[in-house]
Amino acid sequence: AQKVTQAQTEISVVEKEDVTLDCVYETRDTTYYLFWYKQPPSGELVFLIRRNSFDEQNEISGRYSWNFQKSTSSFNFTITASQVVDSAVYFCALSLSLMDTGRRALTFGSGTRLQVQP
Amino acid sequence: DTEVTQTPKHLVMGMTNKKSLKCEQHMGHRAMYWYKQKAKKPPELMFVYSYEKLSINESVPSRFSPECPNSSLLNLHLHALQPEDSALYLCASSQEAAGDGYTFGSGTRLTVV
Repeated sequence: AQKVTQAQTEISVVEKEDVTLDCVYETRDTTYYLFWYKQPPSGELVFLIRRNSFDEQNEISGRYSWNFQKSTSSFNFTITASQVVDSAVYFCALSLSLMDTGRRALTFGSGTRLQVQP
Repeated sequence: DTEVTQTPKHLVMGMTNKKSLKCEQHMGHRAMYWYKQKAKKPPELMFVYSYEKLSINESVPSRFSPECPNSSLLNLHLHALQPEDSALYLCASSQEAAGDGYTFGSGTRLTVV
């Protein structure tokens, strides 16, 4: 079975600070996909990024960057120069690469609540 | 159309009521999911439909009854719910290929009184 751990329950920063959200995963499969989702107070889950297990390149998208390290089973997310609008709950999630589409569901970590103070 | 649409957005129901949640997507996705999310918790998988057939039931109580009438529509029929069933119910869909993204609807916030 797979597992995703987000050890940081809540983080509070002041605007313009950089912040890193940690994600550690467990799976016996060699092919899998990792995701980050943002959930603002309104409740919808907003897709941020998807990474497959064969692609360890770090990625940067604007103020967001992701560091994927298979050696430590981690997929950390950094927000540079945080803004109040970044305040939300962030979920890391894992999906296995199964041939059976119907069994390929997301397993979520417990989430990290980020509060960015003005 | 790249959205998953869920209706209603809010629902208050009594413990003896019967109601249904609806989820619709027109992206040609062949897998659809129901997740339940309690306050301050991550989404938890309830059901998975693949090609309109139920493929996963995560030991969900029978008072929740899913239905997939066609490839675009997923319903969740509710009957005799308990107050502890109050939660945000999220629907999602995904493509056939491994690793394709999961698109989530904005959810139905259910309150059982």
